[in-house]
Parts: sequence; C-alpha cells; structure tokens
Amino acid sequence: EIVMTQSPATLSVSPGERATLSCRASQSVSSNLAWYQHKPGQGPRLLIYDASTRATGIPARFSGSGSGTEFSLTISSLQSEDFAVYYCQQYNKWPPGTFGQGTKVEIK
Amino acid sequence: EVQLVESGGGLVQPGGSLRLSCAVSGFTFSDHYMDWVRQAPGKGLEWVGRIRNKAKSYSTDYASSVRGRFTISRDDSKSTVYLQMNSLKTEDTAVYYCARVVPVGGAGYFDYWGQGTLVTVSS
Repeated sequence: EIVMTQSPATLSVSPGERATLSCRASQSVSSNLAWYQHKPGQGPRLLIYDASTRATGIPARFSGSGSGTEFSLTISSLQSEDFAVYYCQQYNKWPPGTFGQGTKVEIK
Repeated sequence: EVQLVESGGGLVQPGGSLRLSCAVSGFTFSDHYMDWVRQAPGKGLEWVGRIRNKAKSYSTDYASSVRGRFTISRDDSKSTVYLQMNSLKTEDTAVYYCARVVPVGGAGYFDYWGQGTLVTVSS
C-alpha cells in the first residue's frame, strides 16, 4: 500500500504570506494526486486534482504542482479563511482514501 | 447546488449497531459511486468503504478494519446512501462523512463531501 507523507505537520504563517505544503508518496502515483482543505465542523473540500488542476470555485491563490512522488500545494497569499488542515490523497492505486496525515496551517 | 447531508450518528455501546444515512441532492445520484470516510478524534481521514452504481452492479468494497461488520447500501429512488454498522468497537468512534467519488486513476478522488455525523462508541 502506498504511504503518503506530508510536511510539515504544522505551518505557522501570517495573513498575506505565502505557504508551501509538501506531500511525498512512497512510490510513484503519476499525477493522480488530490488536495483537500478541512475546517472544524465541516466536510473536507476538494481544492486540487490531477496534481495541479483547481477544482470548481477554488481561488487562483491555490496552486498545486509535482508528479511521481513529490508534490506541493502553494497558497500564494494566505487569507483568514485559509487557516485549516490540508490533506493530500493519492488515487493512482487501490485502496481509495490513501491520505497523508495532514498539515495544519495556523495563524502566526 | 450539490448537497450531501449525513444523519443517524449518536452514542452507542460497544457491540451495538447504528445506521447512518447520507441524503444527496443537486446531481444525478444514481450515476455515481459513493464512499464513506471517517475521522477519529485527533486523527486523520480514513476510508471506510464504497458502493458503486447500478452499471457496476452496486458492488461494494470495504477497508479491512470494518469488513464483515459494516455494510454500505443505497436507494437510488431516495438519492440516499446508507452505512449499517454492526458489532461496533470503541475504535469506531469518529465523524463519518459520505463523499461523491470521481472514479479515475486506480481508486478515484472525492469531489463533494457531507458535513459529517458523529458516532461515539462507549459504555
């Protein structure tokens, strides 16, 4: 089974600053990678699929890159509503829902 | 607008049963695969299981941690997916989410999620 590892576990960022989150797969997942944003009391929200394609309605400040085993999610200028936990998920191989452990983006 | 609304969570004793429902609207439910994903307190997201559509014979798959105890079903006439949970264990305590699947790659990703329903297994 593919293992997804996210870093860092917590990222402290000031509003308006840039944030870069990393996700590493234990074997190649091609570009079959998604990113989700998760806030307390809500369901996760799809941000990025196919490693770099923004989902419907997702602001342009969110961008994804990478392929193979190394991926990143960049938030170009953090807004107050962006403070949340972010998960990556590979969907190249079964089983579904192979998520990373999450990166919490908190206010510095 | 796409909406997924879970219900049926609550407190149950170890060994007990509970049935969760997820009512959807805003898309043609019968066309889509649906999954359940859970999040235990302080933990990350864990896939629970999947039910496919009629074209795939409503086939199901489950995580090893729940196989044989949990059953997923659906009623396309009601646009609802269910999660029947039996022989519950304390480690099944979690918020349970239903999610719509985009079945690409080898496993698919999730483009819409419900808000979750809390299941607490405790004596």
